[in-house]
Amino acid sequence: DTGVSQDPRHKITKRGQNVTFRCDPISEHNRLYWYRQTLGQGPEFLTYFQNEAQLEKSRLLSDRFSAERPKGSFSTLEIQRTEQGDSAMYLCATGARETQYFGPGTRLLVL
Amino acid sequence: RKEVEQDPGPFNVPEGATVAFNCTYSNSASQSFFWYRQDCRKEPKLLMSVYSSGNEDGRFTAQLNRASQYISLLIRDSKLSDSATYLCVVNLGYSGGSNYKLTFGKGTLLTVNP
Repeated sequence: DTGVSQDPRHKITKRGQNVTFRCDPISEHNRLYWYRQTLGQGPEFLTYFQNEAQLEKSRLLSDRFSAERPKGSFSTLEIQRTEQGDSAMYLCATGARETQYFGPGTRLLVL
Repeated sequence: RKEVEQDPGPFNVPEGATVAFNCTYSNSASQSFFWYRQDCRKEPKLLMSVYSSGNEDGRFTAQLNRASQYISLLIRDSKLSDSATYLCVVNLGYSGGSNYKLTFGKGTLLTVNP
C-alpha cells in the first residue's frame, strides 16, 4: 500500500453517462498526476497538479474530461458523456520530485 | 519513433533462470529512469531507479547508458513471484516544463515457470 487511495475501484457505466473518480494523495506530496492505461499499453499521462493548480494537460484529455484539486488535497477526474473508448484503468500518482507512487486505480468499463 | 521502447516479450523462463530486459528512449534530455513492476490488474509499483553507475538490489541489477539512450534490467535466479509486467519509465524532470511526468514503455510480460 503506497498511501495513495482511489475511489471507486471499479465503475461500469453506459455510454453517454458522466462518471467521477477520486484520488486521495499521500499528504505531504504536493504533486499529483492522473494517468490512463489501456490493455497492453503502459500508463499515459493525462494531467498534473501542483497543489491546487492544474499546470499541464495532455492532448489525450479531450474537453469531455475535467480534473480538479480543490485546496491542494484530494483530486477528482470527471468524464462527461462517456464513450466506449474511455474504457481503461485511471491511475492517480503522487510524488515528491521525480519519484511517483501510484494508487490502486479505477477500472472503468463503458458499455 | 516511440518515446520509450521495450522488448515486446513475452518472456517465459524456468525458475532460477537469468533474464534481461532492454529499453531505449528517444529524448536525450531525459533526466531520471526507473523500472516499475506491474502485477495483473494492479497498479505499477516502483522496482528501482536506474543510475549511470549501475545499481543493484538483491537479484535485480539495472544499468543506464546515456550515450546509447539504453536502459536494462537483469533478474538473476528468477522466482515464481517475479512473474509480472516490467515497465521501463523515463522522466524528463523539470526541463521544458515537463513537470516530472513519467513516460512509460508498453511493458514486457515475464512468466517464471516452476
